[in-house]
Amino acid sequence: DAGVTQTPRHEVAEKGQTIILKCEPVSGHNDLFWYRQTKIQGLELLSYFRSKSLMEDGGAFKDRFKAEMLNSSFSTLKIQPTEPKDSAVYLCASSLDRLYEQYFGPGTRLTVL
Amino acid sequence: QQQVRQSPQSLTVWEGETAILNCSYEDSTFNYFPWYQQFPGEGPALLISISSVSDKKEDGRFTIFFNKREKKLSLHITDSQPGDSATYFCAADNYAQGLTFGLGTRVSVFP
Repeated sequence: DAGVTQTPRHEVAEKGQTIILKCEPVSGHNDLFWYRQTKIQGLELLSYFRSKSLMEDGGAFKDRFKAEMLNSSFSTLKIQPTEPKDSAVYLCASSLDRLYEQYFGPGTRLTVL
Repeated sequence: QQQVRQSPQSLTVWEGETAILNCSYEDSTFNYFPWYQQFPGEGPALLISISSVSDKKEDGRFTIFFNKREKKLSLHITDSQPGDSATYFCAADNYAQGLTFGLGTRVSVFP
């Protein structure tokens, strides 16, 4: 079985650019999560979808971060415009249901210059 | 303010020793506590978990001890192996929001 796939693995952007990160969840999973990981803040939830419906949009991340679930097998995270403080690893995870284990992808390392 | 705290930040043990990782939380509504293991360049992977109705959960060399009254838990790695070298995250869930993670403990096991 394929796990969670994330592309690209690495992204370098100039300040002010728009970047789109992609995620394919495990087939059949209904819940999808986007997290940001930094050494200082750890793992922070950005968005949570249940059956393609947005359940949580991460409060403080709303203004420049937008996650979408175009279909049950594909999600994107758009950051517009990027700022240097957005440099982090962005992780996508999926689960069968809220009560089940979350499976994480390998992450996208974003560097904003 | 971190709702889930972990200590120590880093830990070094020799092969064969027991590594003890600590975790505490604030929110009394948390009722499920998974521990995730993360290797460099990879996403976290579930290692072992416990619900608040239990005080101990064992899986091979990994054991969680849970004290609900004190809102504390610990992960014990017995007979530590070099392959256990990774960062370990304690997380908490109340099923009302996404998982809340601690900042992690980096474990190094030397042969």
